[in-house]
Formats: sequence, structure tokens, C-alpha cells
Amino acid sequence: AQSVAQPEDQVNVAEGNPLTVKCTYSVSGNPYLFWYVQYPNRGLQFLLKYITGDNLVKGSYGFEAEFNKSQTSFHLKKPSALVSDSALYFCAVRDQTGANNLFFGTGTRLTVIP
Amino acid sequence: EAGVAQSPRYKIIEKRQSVAFWCNPISGHATLYWYQQILGQGPKLLIQFQNNGVVDDSQLPKDRFSAERLKGVDSTLKIQPAKLEDSAVYLCASSLRAGTESTDTQYFGPGTRLTVL
Repeated sequence: AQSVAQPEDQVNVAEGNPLTVKCTYSVSGNPYLFWYVQYPNRGLQFLLKYITGDNLVKGSYGFEAEFNKSQTSFHLKKPSALVSDSALYFCAVRDQTGANNLFFGTGTRLTVIP
Repeated sequence: EAGVAQSPRYKIIEKRQSVAFWCNPISGHATLYWYQQILGQGPKLLIQFQNNGVVDDSQLPKDRFSAERLKGVDSTLKIQPAKLEDSAVYLCASSLRAGTESTDTQYFGPGTRLTVL
């Protein structure tokens, strides 16, 4: 069965500092991993995904994520946080059966402090 | 390119009433998904359509929930009768292709926030 864990409910970081939002996964077969961001009263916005290839994936708004197969992790990172990055972040893993379903973590609320 | 459209954005009903949500996916996207997001949790898939056929509805509470995608474009999700625990945000998403070969991104609409009193 597929699952995703986001061990931190809340992450606080000062503006201008680097940020990391953690995600670990469990999946049979090759993992397809995704990060989405959710702003208040809005749907999920796609940030980036890992399918295959380079372990460092670059995405929207300056975000990147590092795939680590040995640690089964896919942490989201940004070198310099902005106040506007404050939002709810979800990691997801794709179902390896034929249905292409996404399994989401419980989310991490990022607060960037001015 | 227009995104996924959903309506209404908010709905408040009393338990045992019925409610329907509408979704219009991104033009040309073959696959449409309905997710339920309860407060404090990640979205959970309810049903997936490929064109106008159901691919996966294993997590849909079929005694009260129903969904259809006529003509392979728009979709409606209905709850009848609603229970208190159905209070959630209902998200619609679409992706270009479907099936085991697809690694396509799912794009989400703004969601419908349902409150059942």
C-alpha cells in the first residue's frame, strides 16, 4: 500500500532563511512523488514532481525537492523564504496500480515570519 | 489556459438534505477526479473518471454519494442524504491522460466547501 508521512504539522522560518518541509513515503515499485501548495480558500497548486532522472527537481516559485531513495524521502526546499510562501504544503505519492491515484500526506503549515 | 472550474464555492445544508457539486475540467483533459478534504487532512480520492467511464470508485460511499461525467467533459458529484461527517472541501482535478502509462500532473480546482448542520 502507498502512504506518505509529513512529520511536521507546522514549520516556522524567518524571511530570507532557507526552508525545508519534510516528506517520507512508502510505495511498492518506482515512486512518483509530488508537492502541492494550498493557499486559504483555494485549491491545490502544483509545485513540482519527481518521476525519474535527476534527484534534485526544480519547480515553481523557486522551490526544489530532493529525492532520496535510500531514505525514502522527498523533502521540499527553498534557499530563501518569502512571507508569501506561507501556506499549507502537501506531499503526495502516486498509486502504482492502473488508476493513477494520488495519496496525500496530512499537510505541513509553513509560516514565514517577517 | 483556463483552469479547473467548480461551483458552487460554498454550500451550507442541513443533515439529510441533498447537494450537488459541478466541475468543468481543463479542456482536453481525459481524466477527472473528485477528492474529499476534511479539515486538517490531506485530500482523499472519491472517484476517478477516464473520459465518461469510471476507473476507480472504491472509496466512494455509494449508499449516499453518486457521480457522473456525461459526454466525458463536465462532472457532477451528489450527496443524498448528507450527514454531518460529510462536511469537507470537495476538490475536482483533471489530468491530460490516464492509465498506467500516465505520470501527468493533476490540476485542481478551487473546491467547494460544504458545511452540513
